[in-house]
Amino acid sequence: AQKVTQTQTSISVVEKTTVTMDCVYETRDSSYFLFWYKQTASGEIVFLIRQDSYKKENATVGHYSLNFQKPKSSIGLIITATQIEDSAVYFCAMRGHNTNTGKLTFGDGTVLTVKP
Amino acid sequence: EAGVTQSPRYAVLQEGQAVSFWCDPISGHDTLYWYQQPRDQGPQLLVYFRDEAVIDNSQLPSDRFSAVRPKGTNSTLKIQSAKQGDTATYLCASLDRTNTGQLYFGEGSKLTVL
Repeated sequence: AQKVTQTQTSISVVEKTTVTMDCVYETRDSSYFLFWYKQTASGEIVFLIRQDSYKKENATVGHYSLNFQKPKSSIGLIITATQIEDSAVYFCAMRGHNTNTGKLTFGDGTVLTVKP
Repeated sequence: EAGVTQSPRYAVLQEGQAVSFWCDPISGHDTLYWYQQPRDQGPQLLVYFRDEAVIDNSQLPSDRFSAVRPKGTNSTLKIQSAKQGDTATYLCASLDRTNTGQLYFGEGSKLTVL
């Protein structure tokens, strides 16, 4: 069974700084996908960024990047130059690569507050 | 392109009542998911379909919850004899296999059981 753990319940930062959110995962799959999603105050959940387990290079999209440490089963999300509108709940999630295991398992989220 | 559509957005029930939630996924997405998100928790998978077939319903409380997707497009999640513990937001999502492999979520149906 897959398991995703986000140990940071909440983080508060000042805008324009960099924040890192932690995530560790457990899986028996040899190949898998890791995702970060953001849930805004309205409840909308949007996809941010993805890391394929077989890729060594860290994914980067805009001001989001990942710190993938496969030996530690860790996938951290880094947000640079944070903005007020980055305030949201951030979820780490994973999915097996096998097409018969398309189940996406989520962590419990980290609440990010960006202050002026 | 239309996103994932869910209805109703809100439902308030007394214990013991029934409710149905409806989901219309993004056109062309063959995989559809129903998640339950209790307050202050992450989404938890209830069931998912590929076309009309149930792939995994192991987390669906089968005595009171049921889900169908008869034509492989729209889906309905039904809760019979609701309990206070069912209070949560019910999220539908569909999978984009061809691009990023990401899930697209609907706005959710927020259920309160009194």
